[in-house]
Amino acid sequence: DGGITQSPKYLFRKEGQNVTLSCEQNLNHDAMYWYRQDPGQGLRLIYYSQIVNDFQKGDIAEGYSVSREKKESFPLTVTSAQKNPTAFYLCASSEMDTQYFGPGTRLTVL
Amino acid sequence: AQSVTQLGSHVSVSEGALVLLRCNYSSSVPPYLFWYVQYPNQGLQLLLKYTTGATLVKGINGFEAEFKKSETSFHLTKPSAHMSDAAEYFCAVRRWGTNAGKSTFGDGTTLTVKP
Repeated sequence: DGGITQSPKYLFRKEGQNVTLSCEQNLNHDAMYWYRQDPGQGLRLIYYSQIVNDFQKGDIAEGYSVSREKKESFPLTVTSAQKNPTAFYLCASSEMDTQYFGPGTRLTVL
Repeated sequence: AQSVTQLGSHVSVSEGALVLLRCNYSSSVPPYLFWYVQYPNQGLQLLLKYTTGATLVKGINGFEAEFKKSETSFHLTKPSAHMSDAAEYFCAVRRWGTNAGKSTFGDGTTLTVKP
């Protein structure tokens, strides 16, 4: 089955630690995205990549970093510089007009 | 600039009743419009989209939406609610010709369906 996988589903982190969230797609899409979702709010774009080895900052990139070494993979690192990292993180890829979303990773900072 | 306003953060209906979730947008150029559904602790699933052509768009699970340019609206409807429709719904807008990363999402509407 084609789709987007995110792992882990739940992640706990101590303050001051970096953590990397995985996103893999087998849809052969060029474009991939990372969003952050907080309760009562819509999705906010962190980073996006339209092609391998290239990515752009979204609206809230501070404290996050990404890489795009393979078409299938777009990992997101939440660094210790992110002041309020507890949130639900969604990865997506797109073809033409439509975005397809992964199941999400819920990150909690203890 | 573009923006989306979803009127009503919570909507409650009885099973079998009409579902109406409201979405108004602003966009300086013709928009693409989307409705997504999200179940707890899951990703977003596309319900339907308007790009060009027919202004009444039919989607999955019996939902439909009508693009009304004069009212800058794209309200989501379903004639008869089912318990399985309980979820959070997001409206999104994107300017014609821009890539998906330029989408703006509304704050979401939580739909509750009462038995």
